[in-house]
Amino acid sequence: SAVISQKPSRDICQRGTSLTIQCQVDSQVTMMFWYRQQPGQSLTLIATANQGSEATYESGFVIDKFPISRPNLTFSTLTVSNMSPEDSSIYLCSVERRDNEQFFGPGTRLTVL
Amino acid sequence: QKEVEQNSGPLSVPEGAIASLNCTYSDRGSQSFFWYRQYSGKSPELIMSIYSNGDKEDGRFTAQLNKASQYVSLLIRDSQPSDSATYLCAVKAAGNKLTFGGGTRVLVKP
Repeated sequence: SAVISQKPSRDICQRGTSLTIQCQVDSQVTMMFWYRQQPGQSLTLIATANQGSEATYESGFVIDKFPISRPNLTFSTLTVSNMSPEDSSIYLCSVERRDNEQFFGPGTRLTVL
Repeated sequence: QKEVEQNSGPLSVPEGAIASLNCTYSDRGSQSFFWYRQYSGKSPELIMSIYSNGDKEDGRFTAQLNKASQYVSLLIRDSQPSDSATYLCAVKAAGNKLTFGGGTRVLVKP
């Protein structure tokens, strides 16, 4: 499996501020994704991070709230903007290998006060 | 309407027994099926993938797929306390989007 790292691993933020989460992969991958896992819930796909073009967002998620960058095939960022306590979640990036399997990074645990 | 359904559990299993987890999905066009294991406070870890009808075995894990019934299952043989975790079923239809079920919590009691 690919080695995936995320920064920060956790953070506590004040409402109204923004946090940028980084995802780094040890090899080039075509597909990168961002998920959210709210407390006690399963995973929900936020968006697909496309290299060289705008991210593809799922229903209920918008670019103004969750801007995503994908400058190359090994790196992506997710920003959680104008945060509220409802944004407290674990944010996970994942990558898909050529064999169709997806692997997850360690996650970023975000608490918004 | 949820597209991937799992019993939330907890599924309590004695050590050494077989744990049987079930998952149903609504999209008949689904082509790829995955089981992830998630320990508390950790990210999901891929343990099985299955693409065609029938059984696929990997160590103590067996995945079973029945596309006609839109049903995928996971068997854990000789369950160990270290198997205690939440197991997530994930389904991929057209494109690369994975849809996850709510997860089944498994407790293996010594």
